[in-house]
Amino acid sequence: SAVISQKPSRDICQRGTSLTIQCQVDSQVTMMFWYRQQPGQSLTLIATANQGSEATYESGFVIDKFPISRPNLTFSTLTVSNMSPEDSSIYLCSASNLEKLFFGSGTQLSVL
Amino acid sequence: SQQGEEDPQALSIQEGENATMNCSYKTSINNLQWYRQNSGRGLVHLILIRSNEREKHSGRLRVTLDTSKKSSSLLITASRAADTASYFCATDAMGSGGGADGLTFGKGTHLIIQP
Repeated sequence: SAVISQKPSRDICQRGTSLTIQCQVDSQVTMMFWYRQQPGQSLTLIATANQGSEATYESGFVIDKFPISRPNLTFSTLTVSNMSPEDSSIYLCSASNLEKLFFGSGTQLSVL
Repeated sequence: SQQGEEDPQALSIQEGENATMNCSYKTSINNLQWYRQNSGRGLVHLILIRSNEREKHSGRLRVTLDTSKKSSSLLITASRAADTASYFCATDAMGSGGGADGLTFGKGTHLIIQP
């Protein structure tokens, strides 16, 4: 298993600003992912964070809005850029070595 | 499109009773997984059942899989207040490559255990 530390745990941001969320895993993992969970909804995969190369984004998500970094096998960041109230959501970092996912505790983002 | 759909959306039972949640999906799968999410927290992996398995146990959890009906159930026996959480099924569709990046989550069942 892997232990994932995600920060910040919550933030309240102004429209038009950006927020960077950090995700640290306690061991090297093959894959890291970023999900969004809107209130009362399921998880939606934003992108797969690729070590040393550009992230792979799912349909409906673009790099300009959600730039992602993964400089090594244990760390990744997600930036939510030029935020609007529609970006208010929980953002979850996850990691996997094979089939199962391990999750960070999430970042609850509110945009005013 | 949404792969897994949990039923019911919400369930409230008395402590000590058994809780059953169901998940239906649309396409053939490699495996199906159940996760738990406590309020405002990340998800925790509970159990994985492969397409060639019919039943799996882990402590007080029992998962069944019926590939002919494209459905799964999660049974929690002798429920406790600490079991209060949202429970999600996630399916790994056949042809997705078999990795965790192919998982699709349902909307979840919110379970409340009344003390």
